[in-house]
Amino acid sequence: KQEVTQIPAALSVPEGENLVLNCSFTDSAIYNLQWFRQDPGKGLTSLLLIQSSQREQTSGRLNASLDKSSGRSTLYIAASQPGDSATYLCAARDDKIIFGKGTRLHILP
Amino acid sequence: EPEVTQTPSHQVTQMGQEVILRCVPISNHLYFYWYRQILGQKVEFLVSFYNNEISEKSEIFDDQFSVERPDGSNFTLKIRSTKLEDSAMYFCATEGQGLHEQYFGPGTRLTVT
Repeated sequence: KQEVTQIPAALSVPEGENLVLNCSFTDSAIYNLQWFRQDPGKGLTSLLLIQSSQREQTSGRLNASLDKSSGRSTLYIAASQPGDSATYLCAARDDKIIFGKGTRLHILP
Repeated sequence: EPEVTQTPSHQVTQMGQEVILRCVPISNHLYFYWYRQILGQKVEFLVSFYNNEISEKSEIFDDQFSVERPDGSNFTLKIRSTKLEDSAMYFCATEGQGLHEQYFGPGTRLTVT
């Protein structure tokens, strides 16, 4: 049974810093891994999707990597801004999507 | 860009009442999913639906829940007799053939009082 874990559960960093969010999954037989952003009380905004055959994806200041063999993915955010404050969810896809609990990120102005 | 839509955005209902949550999938998508997120908790899979039948369901998806595509476009989730613990955000997701990427709707917030 797939389990997705995200560490840390919460993170506060000063504006401008680069940061890394971590995600691990127990079953490497996935189709893809996806990172979402969720603002309080709101829906899911897809940030990046990495197919199982890929190693990384980039969009603007965001870079996500995938290491299937070790069951890990990271989301790198460069030059963080207060508007990046949100909860970031990692989700591993086999027959369905299994979500982690998220990392609550707070960027300090 | 095509998107998944959900109605209503917020539904308030009394315990024991039936509710129907609606989702309009992206055109030509064939696979449909419902997820829920209780406040402060993780997003959880409820059910997947393909070719007019349930493909897989979680232990959460008990006899109180049902899904259907009544008119070939909308995809609905019905909760027969709501309980307080059904209060959550419900997300619909749809997927095209062979793509393995699910597109999520904005969610319906269900509040059971």
